[in-house]
Amino acid sequence: EVVLTQSPGTLSLSPGERATLSCRASQSVSSDYLAWYQQKPGQAPRLLVYGASSRATGIPDRFSGSGSGTDFTLTISRLEPEDFAVYYCQQYGGTPLYSFGQGTKLEIK
Amino acid sequence: EVQLLESGGGLVQPGGSLRLSCADSGFAFNSYVMSWVRQAPGKGLEYVSVISGGGNTIYYADSVRGRFTISRDNSNNRVYLQMNTLRDDDTAVYYCAKGSTVVRPFDYWGQGTVVTVSS
Repeated sequence: EVVLTQSPGTLSLSPGERATLSCRASQSVSSDYLAWYQQKPGQAPRLLVYGASSRATGIPDRFSGSGSGTDFTLTISRLEPEDFAVYYCQQYGGTPLYSFGQGTKLEIK
Repeated sequence: EVQLLESGGGLVQPGGSLRLSCADSGFAFNSYVMSWVRQAPGKGLEYVSVISGGGNTIYYADSVRGRFTISRDNSNNRVYLQMNTLRDDDTAVYYCAKGSTVVRPFDYWGQGTVVTVSS
């Protein structure tokens, strides 16, 4: 079973700063089937990145994903006020078919 | 613009049943994999079930297998989640989501419907 662990649990930064979020898998994620989602309060999640590093349609280029195997990173190069939210990583295609990390809350410092 | 609209949530007693529905306003509904994902109050996301475009491939999370049944009506662009033998820990916002294949993330999400299991 693939278990995803995200760190840190909470990240406090200021607008304009760079954010680095980590997602570690308990075993190798097949074909780098790793996605990142953003969720704001009271809203549904929004797909940001899939295939570890491909941006979804309409996602600004300040969002970038990287990594392979068991270690993945979401980087937001320069934080905008609207980027403060909770971020989840997800593996798809493994066992179980889908699983999510517990989330990282990105808050304004 | 793709729109997914869930309905059918509400308050139900433990052991009871509920049927959720999700209407898709997009095109080529039968080409997409449809899923249900839930989020307990203040918690993270949990995959519940997925059904392929033709309805012949279905998966369930261990936590709901044997109690929940996913189905779809491609003539009406709808997917359903029949939930039986509900427990307190099934309380959550239930999201409908779609993707292009089973081995793909969820590209589009509905706004969710709230299910509360309580006596």
